[in-house]
Amino acid sequence: GNSVTQMEGPVTLSEEAFLTINCTYTATGYPSLFWYVQYPGEGLQLLLKATKADDKGSNKGFEATYRKETTSFHLEKGSVQVSDSAVYFCALSASGNQFYFGTGTSLTVIP
Amino acid sequence: GAVVSQHPSRVICKSGTSVKIECRSLDFQATTMFWYRQFPKQSLMLMATSNEGSKATYEQGVEKDKFLINHASLTLSTLTVTSAHPEDSSFYICSGGPRAQYFGPGTRLLVL
Repeated sequence: GNSVTQMEGPVTLSEEAFLTINCTYTATGYPSLFWYVQYPGEGLQLLLKATKADDKGSNKGFEATYRKETTSFHLEKGSVQVSDSAVYFCALSASGNQFYFGTGTSLTVIP
Repeated sequence: GAVVSQHPSRVICKSGTSVKIECRSLDFQATTMFWYRQFPKQSLMLMATSNEGSKATYEQGVEKDKFLINHASLTLSTLTVTSAHPEDSSFYICSGGPRAQYFGPGTRLLVL
């Protein structure tokens, strides 16, 4: 079946620190992989995605590479800002277009 | 990207009442939309797949008589929580668009 395992939080970092949030998946077929961000009280915003192996998704300084050999899609950012404080969800979409989400990782960036 | 809207953004109701949540696709036609539920500090779980012009498909454990889904047009899907109880309090989010990757802003339901 399809599932996503995501690094548990919460994660607290100082501004300008390096961020990594681990995500691994199991899937039948060839899924697309996504990172979504959820700010307090709001819905999900698509942060980045990758649709095939070795693709790198990137947006707003965040990036993640689709690694089929390790079934991973880790999220990274070189220098976080206070405004990056949010909950981050790793997700996959296989055939049928339904999504499977990780449990979410709460990130707090302190000045 | 595609735009999905939801209405209302939040609703408070008394136990036993029914609540309707609308999910609209603003710039695309959606034959299929998806409804998710998110409990506090938890992840999103798929509830059902809404199919335009036909019955919705429900995930295991989701009561179809309690969570009524109607998808009467290519731009509107509705979720009605019937006879709502406090345990139905949650954040309900729909998705649609190309590859269903675009999510609405969510509806926060609080049942007293």
